Amino acid sequence: DIQMTQSPSSLSASVGDRVTITCRASQSISRFLNWYQQKPGEAPNLLIYGASSLQSGVPSRFTGSASGTDFTLTISSLQPEDFATYYCQQTYSALWTFGQGTKVEIK
Amino acid sequence: EVQLVQSGAEVKKPGESLRISCETSGYSFTSYWIGWVRQMPGKGLEWMGIIWPDDSDTRYNPSFQGQVTISADKSISTTYLQWSSLKASDTAMYYCARKYGDLGEVYGLDVWGQGTTVTVSS
Repeated sequence: DIQMTQSPSSLSASVGDRVTITCRASQSISRFLNWYQQKPGEAPNLLIYGASSLQSGVPSRFTGSASGTDFTLTISSLQPEDFATYYCQQTYSALWTFGQGTKVEIK
Repeated sequence: EVQLVQSGAEVKKPGESLRISCETSGYSFTSYWIGWVRQMPGKGLEWMGIIWPDDSDTRYNPSFQGQVTISADKSISTTYLQWSSLKASDTAMYYCARKYGDLGEVYGLDVWGQGTTVTVSS
């Protein structure tokens, strides 16, 4: 199985902060990496696919990047509606796996 | 508008059977994979499996293979997740979600159902 390790598991930030979440794959997954946002009581929402492509309708403050087996989700200026849990997901192997999640909380 | 609408919350006893549904609309049902994702209380997301509704080609996470069955009914654009004998550990929220593009393409799960809560308790 390909393990996806997210860091940090949680963070506290203020509105307007730049926030970075990292996801490391246990082996090469090319660019088969997606990022989702999940708010309490809601279904996940696709933010980024293919490591760096912005899903339609998602604000441009969300960006994704890749370097080898390390993937990063950046929120350029955190907004009140961005406080949520974020998950990475690889779809490279036949067994898809998610990271354990990163909870972004209000400082 | 593309929509995935899931069936309502269920409360069951251990050993009982259950089938939950995911009714789709607003797109060609047989042209997209539909996946199922489990979220246990307070925990993260787990991919269970995925089905191609046109021919019911189904791929399972080995952790769920034999524990659940994923199926599809083209005539009513609906996919199902079913259990033959529930356990308390099946208590969770279950989501269906559409995968844009083929399995070999980088696209993610772009449209999600609202989730179905399953509670298994004696």
